Amino acid sequence: EPEVTQTPSHQVTQMGQEVILRCVPISNHLYFYWYRQILGQKVEFLVSFYNNEISEKSEIFDDQFSVERPDGSNFTLKIRSTKLEDSAMYFCASNFRGGASDTQYFGPGTRLTVL
Amino acid sequence: LAKTTQPVSMDSYEGQEVNITCSHNNIATNDYITWYQQFPSQGPRFIIQGYKTKVTNEVASLFIPADRKSSTLSLPRVSLSDTAVYYCLVESAGNMLTFGGGTRLMVKP
Repeated sequence: EPEVTQTPSHQVTQMGQEVILRCVPISNHLYFYWYRQILGQKVEFLVSFYNNEISEKSEIFDDQFSVERPDGSNFTLKIRSTKLEDSAMYFCASNFRGGASDTQYFGPGTRLTVL
Repeated sequence: LAKTTQPVSMDSYEGQEVNITCSHNNIATNDYITWYQQFPSQGPRFIIQGYKTKVTNEVASLFIPADRKSSTLSLPRVSLSDTAVYYCLVESAGNMLTFGGGTRLMVKP
C-alpha cells in the first residue's frame, strides 16, 4: 500500500535556525497538507497546498513558515527562524481530490526539537 | 464548523466490542463524519468515514442515526494493539481537518 513518507524522523535545532522538513506524498495525490502536534495537545492544521499554491492556511502558519513543492515528488515545510514553541511533531498528509469526502493519508511525522 | 464531543477516555478488555460515541449537534448537510486512530508518536490513520446510516469495513463499523447529530464507532473484539486515541471529525467545506481531543482507548489484558 502506498504511503506518505517524511524525513528526518527527528530534527534537533537551535533557536533561530532555519529547518526544512521533507515529505514525499503518495504519488498520484494532488493535495498536500502540513499539520503539527505539540506534545500532549491536539493535531493542528497548518496549511494546504494544491496546484503549486497555498489553498488554505491557519493562524499558526505565519511569515516564519513556507511550503514548497520543489520537484515532482517532494513537499517541504520551512521554518525560517525557529522558536522554542515550534517544538512539535509535524505531520504531512496528502489526498487525491481534496474536499470533505476524500481521506487524508498522514505520514509518520518529524519530531522537531528546538533548543 | 461543526464541533464534536466525545469521551476523553475509555477502558476495555481484550476481546470485547468497544463503542465510542461522538456528538455533533451542529453538523451541516454537506458534512461527512470521519474517524481517525493515532498511536503515540505516529500520524493519524484513517479508520472509517460515513454520511448516514451504517458503514462497515474490515476494521470497524460506523453507525449514524437519521438526524446525524451523533455517530458511534464500533470496534469488534479489540486487542491490546487497539490501544490508541480515536478522533471523530466532522469535515466541512475546504480541505483542513479539525481534530478535537479524541478518546483515549486503553485495552487491558
